[in-house]
Amino acid sequence: QVQLVESGGGVVQPGRSLRLSCAASGFTFSSYSMHWVRQAPGRGLDWVAVVTYHGSDIYYGDSVRGRFTISRDNSKNTLFLQMNNLRVEDTAVYYCARGQNSGTTGSVAIWGQGTAVIVSS
Amino acid sequence: SYELTQPPSVSVSPGQTAVITCSGEKLGNKYVCWYQQRPGQSPVVVIYEDEKRPSGIPERFSGSNSGNTATLTISGTQATDEADYYCQAWDNSHVVFGGGTKLAVL
Repeated sequence: QVQLVESGGGVVQPGRSLRLSCAASGFTFSSYSMHWVRQAPGRGLDWVAVVTYHGSDIYYGDSVRGRFTISRDNSKNTLFLQMNNLRVEDTAVYYCARGQNSGTTGSVAIWGQGTAVIVSS
Repeated sequence: SYELTQPPSVSVSPGQTAVITCSGEKLGNKYVCWYQQRPGQSPVVVIYEDEKRPSGIPERFSGSNSGNTATLTISGTQATDEADYYCQAWDNSHVVFGGGTKLAVL
């Protein structure tokens, strides 16, 4: 079955960096767009970024553009999120999610269980 | 940037119909998806492309979208439907989520 397993979360000081990974299985990873979506404690869903199936089209939410970088390795069925210059307000559960199709349309179809990132001094 | 507006909360009695709205400028020109998030769990798609149900989603979930408002309707609401619900659309290759609606089944 489709599985998305995030890793790399933890506690980090403001201004530092962290890299999240998402291991995908149970589907043809290279055929789908992939997203990162986050959710701060007690808050709603906040879309972070999307990368299309081949990796060449990438878009970011306003709150992370210029600090976060999404990437993928189709040979290893893995999605990444490099987070630089972290802020306290980046504290959230970060979800890896598969798109409904290969591009920038459709639903955020399948979600992982999430990994928690806490930015605190 | 594009915004989607949802009521913070909706209450419904068991067996009755719950209606959750999502408003945005010319939203009817976009496809809308709806997600259910139960406490402590990851979101799950309950409606995509305005009105389609993924496999495994009960028929009591339905959706519509016209003008500036999309609607999620839950008929014969059950206690297990108590959750947060989020609408979502694409705008200029960016995903936009509504602020979420907490559905209480009282």
